[in-house]
Order: sequence, then C-alpha cells, then structure tokens
Amino acid sequence: DAGVIQSPRHEVTEMGQEVTLRCKPISGHDYLFWYRQTMMRGLELLIYFNNNVPIDDSGMPEDRFSAKMPNASFSTLKIQPSEPRDSAVYFCASSSPGPFYGYTFGSGTRLTVV
Amino acid sequence: GENVEQHPSTLSVQEGDSAVIKCTYSDSASNYFPWYKQELGKGPQLIIDIRSNVGEKKDQRIAVTLNKTAKHFSLHITETQPEDSAVYFCAAKGGGGSSNTGKLIFGQGTTLQVKP
Repeated sequence: DAGVIQSPRHEVTEMGQEVTLRCKPISGHDYLFWYRQTMMRGLELLIYFNNNVPIDDSGMPEDRFSAKMPNASFSTLKIQPSEPRDSAVYFCASSSPGPFYGYTFGSGTRLTVV
Repeated sequence: GENVEQHPSTLSVQEGDSAVIKCTYSDSASNYFPWYKQELGKGPQLIIDIRSNVGEKKDQRIAVTLNKTAKHFSLHITETQPEDSAVYFCAAKGGGGSSNTGKLIFGQGTTLQVKP
C-alpha cells in the first residue's frame, strides 16, 4: 500500500484565495482525520470522518474551513478565503476500525498564505 | 474530555544514553496508547503502542510502560543514536462509551536531541 497520500506537498497562496487540500486514505481504513500542526499549538484535530460521515468538526477554527469526504478513497479540506494565520502544515491520517489501531499519517501539506 | 500531558518538552542526551518521555492522561476509559516519531519535514509515524491490559511492551531499543492506576505511560529509548533525534508524541484513545471513542488525543510533543 502506498500509505496515506496528500496533495499538494507545498502550497503558497495569496490572502483571500481559496485553497483545497486533498487526501487519499489507505484502502480499508474507515476513519479519516484532518490535523493542523503549528509551532504554537502543536497538533490540532480539525475534523474526522467515519465511513465518510463527519463525526466531530468541533476543531474546525471557523466557517472559512470546510471538509468533505465524497467517497471512501478521497477527502478534501477547503479554506475560503485564506488568511496568513492559516499558514501551517496540514496532515491527513487514516485508521482501521476498532479500538486498538493507531493512525497512519500522510506526509502533510505545508500551506503558506502571504 | 480527554487531556494528555507530555513531559519534558525538550530532551537532550548523549549518544548511548537512555531517554525517557512521560505522559499522563485524564480519561480512565482510555484503552490504547500509541507513540509517534516525527522527523523533520515528515508526518508522525507510529513506533510502538500499548493496550490497557498490558503493563509493558518492548521492541528492540524502545519500550513503553503503562500504569493504569496512576494514568501514566512512558516511552523509554535505550542506547540512543543520532537518528533517534526527532519529535515524539504520545497519544491516548478513548474506550467504548467514552466520548473519545475512535479519536486519538495527542500530547504536546517532546523534541529529543541525541548528541554524537
């Protein structure tokens, strides 16, 4: 398996532009998580899905952020409009069902909003 | 909800020495405790985990211990090498009936530096 695949690896955009981050989870994993990592706040859980259904989006910072999972093999995290404070590394992770499985993380998308 | 505290935030050791990172958790229903290693420019990678019905687990130079009564768990790295330098995260997952079921709660991370 190729693992969790995220794209793009790096994104530089201007303030106010729409940004879309993409994730392909590991086949057979029914949990998908979006995290944001910054020096100040560490790893923050933004939202997670179970069987393509959003379960907990309490970590989504504001209405500018939205996430979808149209099928078991694809998810997007969208920021519209983007702001400089959104600059961070965004990770997608997936997990098998059951209580004793950890997450497999993707390589992340480094987002810079100028 | 669950809260995971991790200490120390930074740790510097000489090559060959041991390193210990400690975490505490608040939700007594948590039943799974993985540890992740994050190297520069990469995503966190699972290195070892332990279930709540086990007190200790070893994998070569890495070991994890769990004290359910005290709600403490620790990562032990022996004979450290420069390639062990990274950020390490502990995490806890809630058990059945817990509001944290299915969700890992991460500690704040420990930056380990192994000096040659």
